[in-house]
Amino acid sequence: NAGVTQTPKFQVLKTGQSMTLQCAQDMNHEYMSWYRQDPGMGLRLIHYSVGAGITDQGEVPNGYNVSRSTTEDFPLRLLSAAPSQTSVYFCASGSGGRAPRETQYFGPGTRLLVL
Amino acid sequence: GNSVTQMEGPVTLSEEAFLTINCTYTATGYPSLFWYVQYPGEGLQLLLKATKADDKGSNKGFEATYRKETTSFHLEKGSVQVSDSAVYFCALSSGGTSYGKLTFGQGTILTVHP
Repeated sequence: NAGVTQTPKFQVLKTGQSMTLQCAQDMNHEYMSWYRQDPGMGLRLIHYSVGAGITDQGEVPNGYNVSRSTTEDFPLRLLSAAPSQTSVYFCASGSGGRAPRETQYFGPGTRLLVL
Repeated sequence: GNSVTQMEGPVTLSEEAFLTINCTYTATGYPSLFWYVQYPGEGLQLLLKATKADDKGSNKGFEATYRKETTSFHLEKGSVQVSDSAVYFCALSSGGTSYGKLTFGQGTILTVHP
């Protein structure tokens, strides 16, 4: 199994540009989420989804959109990039079935630089 | 709201030294507690977890005990190796509508020298 995959690994944007960070999982997990990691602040939850068609906001949702049309994919969209969105972004998934949803599996991350 | 506080780093140790990374938390209800590890250039991996008071999580020689009376979940290892060099995150997940959402501490950088 590939687990949780993220693309791209690294991206440079100019202020005002838009882009989509891709996330996919092949474990048939119901729960998926996006976090951003900033120095000295740990990881903060941006958006999450408890299943296809269902999404909700986390701690820092402003400037980001998500959708969940399939169980496997959970893209994160930056509508108009700002320098404050320079960060490392991690996607995670968890199962509500045999494994408790607390066990989250993280992707390798996308490093984003906004100039 | 929920919060997690970790001891400030970075922590630098010699190989075979004893490791303790302190973690305390504030949460409503009865959270589950986790330690995640991030090796250089990689994503986070679950190291260990405990889902109720007095539970001890363990993995790869690391241990942590869920202490509800002191709201703590300190990470320990008796003899660290160079390969343990990484960033360690303490995290919690509380129940109810917050089920599945992780609250992280700020992370502790561990460097182990030969």
